[in-house]
Amino acid sequence: QKEVEQNSGPLSVPEGAIASLNCTYSDRVSQSFFWYRQYSGKSPELIMSIYSNGDKEDGRFTAQLNKASQYVSLLIRDSQPSDSATYLCAVLQYAGGTSYGKLTFGQGTILTVHP
Amino acid sequence: ETGVTQTPRHLVMGMTNKKSLKCEQHLGHNAMYWYKQSAKKPLELMFVYNFKEQTENNSVPSRFSPECPNSSHLFLHLHTLQPEDSALYLCASSQTNPGSYYEQYFGPGTRLTVT
Repeated sequence: QKEVEQNSGPLSVPEGAIASLNCTYSDRVSQSFFWYRQYSGKSPELIMSIYSNGDKEDGRFTAQLNKASQYVSLLIRDSQPSDSATYLCAVLQYAGGTSYGKLTFGQGTILTVHP
Repeated sequence: ETGVTQTPRHLVMGMTNKKSLKCEQHLGHNAMYWYKQSAKKPLELMFVYNFKEQTENNSVPSRFSPECPNSSHLFLHLHTLQPEDSALYLCASSQTNPGSYYEQYFGPGTRLTVT
C-alpha cells in the first residue's frame, strides 16, 4: 500500500470552476500536511500547509484535513489557466526533539484548467 | 540571493565522470535535503542533514556522496553514474526546531542526464 496516495489525473476543469484535489495517507501518526504546486520543468512550490482538522483558507485555495479518515484535500476556487500544474500532496511525520521529520510525497495530480 | 539556490541547473555527464551538485539556502534553516525526481515517480528522499549531521540515508547507492560543511551549504558528489540516474535532483531546506512547522522549501533543481 502506498503511504501517500493521489489520483494521478489528469483532472480537467473549465476556467472559473472549482478544482478538487484529494489525498489519502496510511500513517496515523502523521501530523503535518502540505500541498505543493509544480509547473512543468520547475521545482515544487509550497502553497498550503495544514496541521489540524478542518478547513484552512488562503485566497482561492482551501485545504481540508480529516485525520480520522486520513484524508486531506485542496480546493481551488475560480480556477485559472495559470493553475494548470501538477499538485503534490506531502505528509510529515514528526520525529521529535531536533530531528527533521520525514516528508513523504504522493505521485501528484495533474490539473488542467481550460479556457 | 534569496531562498534556495542550486548549481548547475543542467548537467550532462558520462558514466565515468565525477561531478558535484551544489545547494545553498538563504533562509536561516537548520536542515537540508536531497531529493530525486524521476518521470512518473513520486519525489524520493535521498539524504537529510540536520545541524550539519546526516540523519537519513534512504538506501542510496554509494555512487552518490553527500557533503554538508555547514547549515547553509549542501553538496552531492556524483561518480560512475548509470543512465537510470538521469533525473531532476532537488535540494530543499526547512526549520526543525521544536515549535516549527517543518515546511520544506525547494531550490530550482539540477536536471541531470547521464550518457
